[in-house]
Amino acid sequence: DAKTTQPPSMDCAEGRAANLPCNHSTISGNEYVYWYRQIHSQGPQYIIHGLKNNETNEMASLIITEDRKSSTLILPHATLRDTAVYYCIVRVALTGKLIFGQGTTLQVKP
Amino acid sequence: EPEVTQTPSHQVTQMGQEVILRCVPISNHLYFYWYRQILGQKVEFLVSFYNNEISEKSEIFDDQFSVERPDGSNFTLKIRSTKLEDSAMYFCASSAGVASGANVLTFGAGSRLTVL
Repeated sequence: DAKTTQPPSMDCAEGRAANLPCNHSTISGNEYVYWYRQIHSQGPQYIIHGLKNNETNEMASLIITEDRKSSTLILPHATLRDTAVYYCIVRVALTGKLIFGQGTTLQVKP
Repeated sequence: EPEVTQTPSHQVTQMGQEVILRCVPISNHLYFYWYRQILGQKVEFLVSFYNNEISEKSEIFDDQFSVERPDGSNFTLKIRSTKLEDSAMYFCASSAGVASGANVLTFGAGSRLTVL
């Protein structure tokens, strides 16, 4: 089973920051947090990942709390094309597989 | 940007028929995966494959499923005798490695299987 908890849905206004929360209270010290998204029925798309430090790339920022029990994905300026299901995943240590939960459906509105 | 390619994009088959779904992973990747997503449900792990053998499989991956890397580029999923409940989107993924959590799975666009 997925080790994460996410709200089922969120709305965001176009041009505003979208902040997607994730709880992973049972995460182990060597497990990374990954974020993927899925637009319609397309293949999941990698966004960002981190271990304990905050991370930023061209798509998003990832803020991980100091105790690592939760994290937030930030899309700084959401567009209509960011409407998707966002998955927060704790990657099983030393295995490749990702266990997907139900994710958060983000609806970006004009 | 390198991508994972899957064929066919959509296949319709009769119940009981064999189906082979094909994937071309990213060329320097060593780990390969199959996932499936039944309409309206979450993405489910099926199997992972490394060094020409299965490294892990889920409960879903029973005897009717098999995977193969027949040559240096293709990675296939075979369903021997399809059932109605096999209707789903099947995603192939690949990664360069698994160590250090620093290896990213790249997914293909998927193959939609419809069993009638």
